[in-house]
Amino acid sequence: EAGVAQSPRYKIIEKRQSVAFWCNPISGHATLYWYQQILGQGPKLLIQFQNNGVVDDSQLPKDRFSAERLKGVDSTLKIQPAKLEDSAVYLCASSLGAGGRGDTQYFGPGTRLTVL
Amino acid sequence: GQQVMQIPQYQHVQEGEDFTTYCNSSTTLSNIQWYKQRPGGHPVFLIQLVKSGEVKKQKRLTFQFGEAKKNSSLHITATQTTDVGTYFCAGPGGYSTLTFGKGTMLLVSP
Repeated sequence: EAGVAQSPRYKIIEKRQSVAFWCNPISGHATLYWYQQILGQGPKLLIQFQNNGVVDDSQLPKDRFSAERLKGVDSTLKIQPAKLEDSAVYLCASSLGAGGRGDTQYFGPGTRLTVL
Repeated sequence: GQQVMQIPQYQHVQEGEDFTTYCNSSTTLSNIQWYKQRPGGHPVFLIQLVKSGEVKKQKRLTFQFGEAKKNSSLHITATQTTDVGTYFCAGPGGYSTLTFGKGTMLLVSP
């Protein structure tokens, strides 16, 4: 079974530029998550989709971050404009069910973003 | 949402020594999950605990959920260099989300 795919794996941009990340979840997984992991910290949930609807985006900085999951499969996360503090690894995960108890999350390899 | 605190932040052991990391919450958790992240890698699900006082074992790893469901621990017996990585606990966040702790980084010297 193929895992969660993410691209690009690495990205270096200058502050105020825009960047987009792509995620392809495991086939058949209903729920997709985007996390931000700053060095030395645990993953922080940015947004959670169930199919193509948003379940939770309470920690997404909506003035600069946006995400979509068209057709309930692939997803993109965009940052516009980027700030220095956005330097982090952006992890995508997916799960079979609706999330929560009993629903295992499978993580992709992540995209390491460096903002100069 | 819930917050989970992990201690220690970092531990360095000699191969063969035991290792324990603790996860604590100020509120009762309906469940707790544990993940391992190798250096440069991504989090990988290890286990979920649901019942009060639950103990589960995976080879040299023993996971416990406290009686009050406010704390959990992961114990590794006789560490090996392959155990190197950061171990995260994660508790329920909002509706169906997870809140991760900051993790415990384990370094094992041969």
